[in-house]
Amino acid sequence: EAQVTQNPRYLITVTGKKLTVTCSQNMNHEYMSWYRQDPGLGLRQIYYSMNVEVTDKGDVPEGYKVSRKEKRNFPLILESPSPNQTSLYFCASSLSGIRETQYFGPGTRLLVL
Amino acid sequence: GNSVTQMEGPVTLSEEAFLTINCTYTATGYPSLFWYVQYPGEGLQLLLKATKADDKGSNKGFEATYRKETTSFHLEKGSVQVSDSAVYFCALRDGADGLTFGKGTHLIIQP
Repeated sequence: EAQVTQNPRYLITVTGKKLTVTCSQNMNHEYMSWYRQDPGLGLRQIYYSMNVEVTDKGDVPEGYKVSRKEKRNFPLILESPSPNQTSLYFCASSLSGIRETQYFGPGTRLLVL
Repeated sequence: GNSVTQMEGPVTLSEEAFLTINCTYTATGYPSLFWYVQYPGEGLQLLLKATKADDKGSNKGFEATYRKETTSFHLEKGSVQVSDSAVYFCALRDGADGLTFGKGTHLIIQP
């Protein structure tokens, strides 16, 4: 089944404790991205990757890191999480970066205390 | 920059009512337009899309037409069901950027 998977689905952590949210897709998509969803703000892009070893900032990159060492994986790293990063995070992928449909993972709900 | 504006709601309708959720956009190029749906506790699913002016996207009884002259992509359904209760997001994608989303419309259908 074609899908985007994320792990973990739920995470509670404390300020400053590094964490990684994994994202994997099995559709051989070139383009992958991370969004966060917050009440009243909708979804905003954090980082994106056009292909392996190519990443770029989205609208709200501060406090986040990403890497794209393999085509199928695009982990999101919070080196020193803060409470304002409490949010619902979605990974998404698309065949290419030019106006294509993006397919979303199930989401990771993060609470930073 | 690009932007999407949609009614936030909540929008409450009775079962079998006609649904319209308005969506207008601003874009510098020629974007593709999308409607995504988020059911409670789930991720975003693509509902329909249109890639050029006058295209009509349709799925599950929902329709939306890409209107370049009015920069709109309104979502419609002739007869809603309780199972359509969800949050609906209008979005555009222009060039190599990611999706630009509206803030979402919470739809509640009462039996």
